[in-house]
Amino acid sequence: GAGVSQSPRYKVAKRGQDVALRCDPISGHVSLFWYQQALGQGPEFLTYFQNEAQLDKSGLPSDRFFAERPEGSVSTLKIQRTQQEDSAVYLCASTSWGRGTGELFFGEGSRLTVL
Amino acid sequence: AQSVTQLGSHVSVSEGALVLLRCNYSSSVPPYLFWYVQYPNQGLQLLLKYTTGATLVKGINGFEAEFKKSETSFHLTKPSAHMSDAAEYFCAVTLNQAGTALIFGKGTTLSVSS
Repeated sequence: GAGVSQSPRYKVAKRGQDVALRCDPISGHVSLFWYQQALGQGPEFLTYFQNEAQLDKSGLPSDRFFAERPEGSVSTLKIQRTQQEDSAVYLCASTSWGRGTGELFFGEGSRLTVL
Repeated sequence: AQSVTQLGSHVSVSEGALVLLRCNYSSSVPPYLFWYVQYPNQGLQLLLKYTTGATLVKGINGFEAEFKKSETSFHLTKPSAHMSDAAEYFCAVTLNQAGTALIFGKGTTLSVSS
């Protein structure tokens, strides 16, 4: 497609369940970012991939969070044993990354609600 | 480390009035600065960006912002608000390094009344 596609758009999970959120970036974009946006807050960085390599995962809040991009295209963010504080919108963004341009193209996000 | 502060979580203006959304940044090196807009249930969309060169940057929908190094500011303005401008606006900063993540402010919700 023409833009960044995320699925599911909405996910309700019971506390303790595992969830997987998918991101399909713009074709040809080598860089992919995951952000977490809590209600009323700005997006907060989680992790960054360049092709299939995860170059920065400093923003992942705990070891329950895991992200992968095995073929350098689609990425999956997995959250194990979900907790209520994980409720947020998870945003994926991609870029062709001219050096320093920083413009990211965002998907519409996956809204996770943990009950 | 970089950071962004957006002054005012909510701004309300009348249609046709000036829009001013404030953003101050902190960065140890010259930053790249951005404004993104988020409409309800939509992804973030780039309004404008400052990288190098002219400090007054024009973006989409009639918005512009001026990079003022002495004030460490990058305020967003629009001369005349339109109802369709109602949205949430985020200021963001990054460094001139490939792969460096954008750091976002907490956002400012703009309301426009008729």
